[in-house]
Amino acid sequence: AQKITQTQPGMFVQEKEAVTLDCTYDTSDPSYGLFWYKQPSSGEMIFLIYQGSYDQQNATEGRYSLNFQKARKSANLVISASQLGDSAMYFCAMREGHGSSNTGKLIFGQGTTLQVKP
Amino acid sequence: SAVISQKPSRDICQRGTSLTIQCQVDSQVTMMFWYRQQPGQSLTLIATANQGSEATYESGFVIDKFPISRPNLTFSTLTVSNMSPEDSSIYLCSVVSRGNHGYTFGSGTRLTVV
Repeated sequence: AQKITQTQPGMFVQEKEAVTLDCTYDTSDPSYGLFWYKQPSSGEMIFLIYQGSYDQQNATEGRYSLNFQKARKSANLVISASQLGDSAMYFCAMREGHGSSNTGKLIFGQGTTLQVKP
Repeated sequence: SAVISQKPSRDICQRGTSLTIQCQVDSQVTMMFWYRQQPGQSLTLIATANQGSEATYESGFVIDKFPISRPNLTFSTLTVSNMSPEDSSIYLCSVVSRGNHGYTFGSGTRLTVV
C-alpha cells in the first residue's frame, strides 16, 4: 500500500534562514507524483511544488525546492530565506496510481507545523 | 486551473443537526473528492463524488452519515448528518483539473459542533 511519512511534527526556523521539511514515501508503482501543500491557519490548501517520478531534475518554484532522492524514496521540501508568512502547516502528498489505474486520490502525510521566528 | 467556490466557510452547529456543504466549480471536472481534516490532523479522504451515481466511500465513512450529491460535473454537496462534537473538523472538496499538476482545493469549511 502507498504511504507518506512526515516525521517532524513541528519545526522552528529563524527568519531569513533555510529549512528542510522531511517526507518519505512508499509505493510499488513506477509512476507517481509527489506534492507539497501549505496550509495556513485559514485552512485553505495552497499548492507549492510538484515532482514527477520520472522527472530528471529536482523541482523548484521560487523559494521552494524539492530534494528528490528516488532511491531513498524521499522528497524533502527546502524553503530558502524563510519569511514570517511561511509559518503554517505543510503537507507532503502522493498521487495514488497512474495511467488507467489513476484514481485521482491524494494520500497525505501527517504534516509538519513550521514556525518562523523573527 | 479550476476555481472552486466552497460554502459555507465556517459554521457553528448544534449537536444532532445536519449541515450541507456546497462546492461549485467554474468548469466541468470528472473527479471530485471530499476530505475531512480533524483538528491538528492530516487530510483524510471521505469519498469520491461520482456524477450521476452514488459516491464511493472510503473505509470508515458511510453514506448515512455523509450523504453526497453530484448532480452534474460542476457541483457537489456533502452533508454531515446527526452531528456530534467529534465531527468538528475542516471539510474540503478537491477536483482534478488542469493546473497545479491536476489538483485544486476549495477554501474549506470549518465546522464546530457544540
